[in-house]
Amino acid sequence: KNEVEQSPQNLTAQEGEFITINCSYSVGISALHWLQQHPGGGIVSLFMLSSGKKKHGRLIATINIQEKHSSLHITASHPRDSAVYICAVRPGGSEKLVFGKGTKLTVNP
Amino acid sequence: DTAVSQTPKYLVTQMGNDKSIKCEQNLGHDTMYWYKQDSKKFLKIMFSYNNKELIINETVPNRFSPKSPDKAHLNLHINSLELGDSAVYFCASSLGGAVTSGGYEQFFGPGTRLTVL
Repeated sequence: KNEVEQSPQNLTAQEGEFITINCSYSVGISALHWLQQHPGGGIVSLFMLSSGKKKHGRLIATINIQEKHSSLHITASHPRDSAVYICAVRPGGSEKLVFGKGTKLTVNP
Repeated sequence: DTAVSQTPKYLVTQMGNDKSIKCEQNLGHDTMYWYKQDSKKFLKIMFSYNNKELIINETVPNRFSPKSPDKAHLNLHINSLELGDSAVYFCASSLGGAVTSGGYEQFFGPGTRLTVL
């Protein structure tokens, strides 16, 4: 079992829908990252958080440290949001990131 | 203008060859990383350097050797390439390491797609 589990693996939505991607992890962490990998392959960091909630434009990330769970929300989804969204955690005291397997999001016009 | 650059973008080579991938960052970051993304798109850390010092060395074959001539560059040399080395290799950098700083956002290069025939 992977230390970081994401759900769903694949998600198809219609333009304008509210999207939620979930990430659960099994170890104590110092930080959690959400990354976006575009269809062309490039990876962009969306958020790094260790508590609470962060918002950037239409993207919102939340984390519950006690429940070892994070969610990434996309409001008013758009076809350009189509990408793979990857959750990664930094175990406490470690330098490295441990990655989930990603959630492939497709937003249809 | 590019923050983290890698060369080459594509690398096709025969089994048994030795090849290198180069990475450079112009962000003034102290920490650099190499990741491998397999055919199922799963990312895994390979190495990390902080100020030219190796701080992460995951269980990778010793055919893989990272070299950091200065904190802006982290190169990856692979000896005796095997079919299973085919993957996309990503370089990344961050302002600091995690243990001392609590962690920083990482900036990724565009990736190098390695195909071993």
